[in-house]
Amino acid sequence: DSGVTQTPKHLITATGQRVTLRCSPRSGDLSVYWYQQSLDQGLQFLIQYYNGEERAKGNILERFSAQQFPDLHSELNLSSLELGDSALYFCASSVEGYTQYFGPGTRLTVL
Amino acid sequence: QQQVKQSPQSLIVQKGGISIINCAYENTAFDYFPWYQQFPGKGPALLIAIRPDVSEKKEGRFTISFNKSAKQFSLHIMDSQPGDSATYFCAASGTARQLTFGSGTQLTVLP
Repeated sequence: DSGVTQTPKHLITATGQRVTLRCSPRSGDLSVYWYQQSLDQGLQFLIQYYNGEERAKGNILERFSAQQFPDLHSELNLSSLELGDSALYFCASSVEGYTQYFGPGTRLTVL
Repeated sequence: QQQVKQSPQSLIVQKGGISIINCAYENTAFDYFPWYQQFPGKGPALLIAIRPDVSEKKEGRFTISFNKSAKQFSLHIMDSQPGDSATYFCAASGTARQLTFGSGTQLTVLP
């Protein structure tokens, strides 16, 4: 167990809908990273937050957004969902930036 | 510039054998090279990591070899066990700290 928690574990929704994925980092970790894992794209970095502020953006679509709250948990919001958004979404947390601990992921299925 | 290339895509090894997975990177600004192990339905788990100031790092049966001039690094799993059967990802990060992942290697260790 990495100490990073993610909810929900599975999410099934329809195209055009909006969902919110939640991540609680390890105690004391200020950085949260979101990654998407799909068969065709592999593991890709989406966005990073550090102590409530956005630090870096990767291949994140404009339909996707995230935020980190004062208690350091983070939410990834996915809107206008398309079939191609079906994937595993992982968050990872880190205290010093190098060692990232991954959560168990949320499996999103868009029908 | 940001790619990390990983090979082979799949690997079958007999129990007790040596598993070798190779990665190559292009971005010379990368300064941290971790390997992650992922079991089906789980998040990636950090296995071992290396900085470019050393050429080798060993932890138990797992060894990273790093060749800075060739921009290559590899994972060696000694005395491979069936429990090692998983997908292995190499990754790299630089000052921005987000991980750029290789495409993964599915390792199967036969009993």
